[in-house]
Amino acid sequence: EPEVTQTPSHQVTQMGQEVILRCVPISNHLYFYWYRQILGQKVEFLVSFYNNEISEKSEIFDDQFSVERPDGSNFTLKIRSTKLEDSAMYFCASREEGPADTQYFGPGTRLTVL
Amino acid sequence: LAKTTQPISMDSYEGQEVNITCSHNNIATNDYITWYQQFPSQGPRFIIQGYKTKVTNEVASLFIPADRKSSTLSLPRVSLSDTAVYYCLVGDRKAAGNKLTFGGGTRVLVKP
Repeated sequence: EPEVTQTPSHQVTQMGQEVILRCVPISNHLYFYWYRQILGQKVEFLVSFYNNEISEKSEIFDDQFSVERPDGSNFTLKIRSTKLEDSAMYFCASREEGPADTQYFGPGTRLTVL
Repeated sequence: LAKTTQPISMDSYEGQEVNITCSHNNIATNDYITWYQQFPSQGPRFIIQGYKTKVTNEVASLFIPADRKSSTLSLPRVSLSDTAVYYCLVGDRKAAGNKLTFGGGTRVLVKP
């Protein structure tokens, strides 16, 4: 069964550093998403991406965040200058054309900002 | 966006049936009800979706009464591996972009 993959599984960084989280969505999917989950809290939407542009973003997704689909397979989330409060699990999700709520999530990247 | 309310946690034993009820009093005509499952340190996983009456798949059943103001996810004969957080989501499946809005979910603990 095809699945969403994410790398790395765990990233440790110093405050103020840039990080890039990588995702490979399911190959025939057209809609891509990033979510995050701070330890013990809810899964929160960050951004959705379709047709090479952002279709929606949350208040969390400020100027420090950016997304990119650099080639036909990868989907990346960049945090330019990490803060302590960016420490969380970051989940990538994708879906094909069709029912919007059937999104397939990756295993996540645990980001720890020191 | 319809607000959902579900129990914070439930305990069960192996082999029992687990029923989780979600309230969504303000559900709109175009809204579907979707349930996701999340194991510790993993991403959420789609379980089941329905609009009305009953839906069943290999994992669970979803019961939706006629007024659609609530829904019940039923997990038959749970095992230890069903210990997870279960989320009820309500939304228009055709809405553009379609972020998923997760609540706190129901933490189900299956005991031996």
